[in-house]
Amino acid sequence: QVQLVESGGGVVQPGRSLRLSCAASGFTFSSYGVHWVRQAPGKGLEWVAVISYDGSNKYYADSVKGRFTISRDNSKNTLYLQMNSLRPEDTAVYYCAKCQTYYDFWSAVDYWGQGTLVTVSS
Amino acid sequence: QSVLTQPPSVSGAPGQRVTISCTGSSSNIGAGYDVHWYQQLPRTAPKVLIYANNNRPSGVPDRFSGSRSGTSASLAITGLQAEDEADYYCQSYDNSLSGSVFGGGTKLTVL
Repeated sequence: QVQLVESGGGVVQPGRSLRLSCAASGFTFSSYGVHWVRQAPGKGLEWVAVISYDGSNKYYADSVKGRFTISRDNSKNTLYLQMNSLRPEDTAVYYCAKCQTYYDFWSAVDYWGQGTLVTVSS
Repeated sequence: QSVLTQPPSVSGAPGQRVTISCTGSSSNIGAGYDVHWYQQLPRTAPKVLIYANNNRPSGVPDRFSGSRSGTSASLAITGLQAEDEADYYCQSYDNSLSGSVFGGGTKLTVL
């Protein structure tokens, strides 16, 4: 069965960095695009970034552009999110989420991880 | 302020029908991009309910249906049940932002 397991969350001071990981299993990871989606406490879903199956295409929300970098290692079936210059407003649960179709990373998300909480606070 | 606009809340009695709207613009829904709907139960990750406007994944009851017209989309839930109480989100692609966008979410209360 498809599993996405995020890790790397925690408490970090404003301006510092953090790297999230998402370990994938149960499907051919190298064939699908993957997203990061976040949810601030008590708030709605916010799309963060997406990466194509081979890592050649990456897109970011304006709110994180220039500060966050999405990447993947298909040999390790792992997705990453490098977060730099963190701000209090980046506090959220971060989900990794698999694209439903292999050919369109703007297709629906058919599997979500359980999320990892990032808290940016001094 | 979300790019896709949803009502903050809707409610209905068991057995009733409710609809949740998702209003976009010419750069997302109006441009013909697909709309997807997700259900998020308390303290859990979202789950896809409707994909590509009106398609249900296997396992999703046919009480749930989706439609898209012009710059808007709708999720309809018939035969409302207590377990349908959750937050619902629409999602699409926006070509002016070159990215995915979510609606602000709608909290469904079953009275």
